[in-house]
Amino acid sequence: EAGVAQSPRYKIIEKRQSVAFWCNPISGHATLYWYQQILGQGPKLLIQFQNNGVVDDSQLPKDRFSAERLKGVDSTLKIQPAKLEDSAVYLCASSYQPGQYTDTQYFGPGTRLTVL
Amino acid sequence: SQELEQSPQSLIVQEGKNLTINCTSSKTLYGLYWYKQKYGEGLIFLMMLQKGGEEKSHEKITAKLDEKKQQSSLHITASQPSHAGIYLCGADVDGGSQGNLIFGKGTKLSVKP
Repeated sequence: EAGVAQSPRYKIIEKRQSVAFWCNPISGHATLYWYQQILGQGPKLLIQFQNNGVVDDSQLPKDRFSAERLKGVDSTLKIQPAKLEDSAVYLCASSYQPGQYTDTQYFGPGTRLTVL
Repeated sequence: SQELEQSPQSLIVQEGKNLTINCTSSKTLYGLYWYKQKYGEGLIFLMMLQKGGEEKSHEKITAKLDEKKQQSSLHITASQPSHAGIYLCGADVDGGSQGNLIFGKGTKLSVKP
């Protein structure tokens, strides 16, 4: 079974530029998550989708970050304009469907973003 | 304050030695997940614990959940260089209604051959 795919793996941009990340979850997984992991920290949830609807985006900096999951499969996360503090690894995860108890989340390899 | 505390922050052990990593929550635990991460890469799922007193093992790694203490421990027996990496605990603290996890900062494990 193919895992969560992410691209690109690495991205270097200058501040104030825009960048987009792509994620393809495990086939059949209804829930998709985007996390930001700053060096030395644990992942922090940015946004959660169930199918193509947003479940939680309370920690997404909406003035510069946006995400979409059209058709309930692939997702893109965009940053515009980027700031130095956005340098981090952006992780995508998917789970079958959370129910009474949280379903296991499976993570992609991540995209390492460096903002200069 | 951090909702999920991991200890120690880092650990260096000699190959063949046993070790334990702890994860303590300030909130009620409805599910506890252990992941392993290589530097700058994605998280690899290790184990999930849901019930108090639950214990699971996979190869030389054992995880336990102490519901009363809101704590989980990860124990590695006879460590090998392949065990090196960052171990992260993730917790469901809202009853699974949304599936959100919060994570600790991780424990960096180095195994000296």
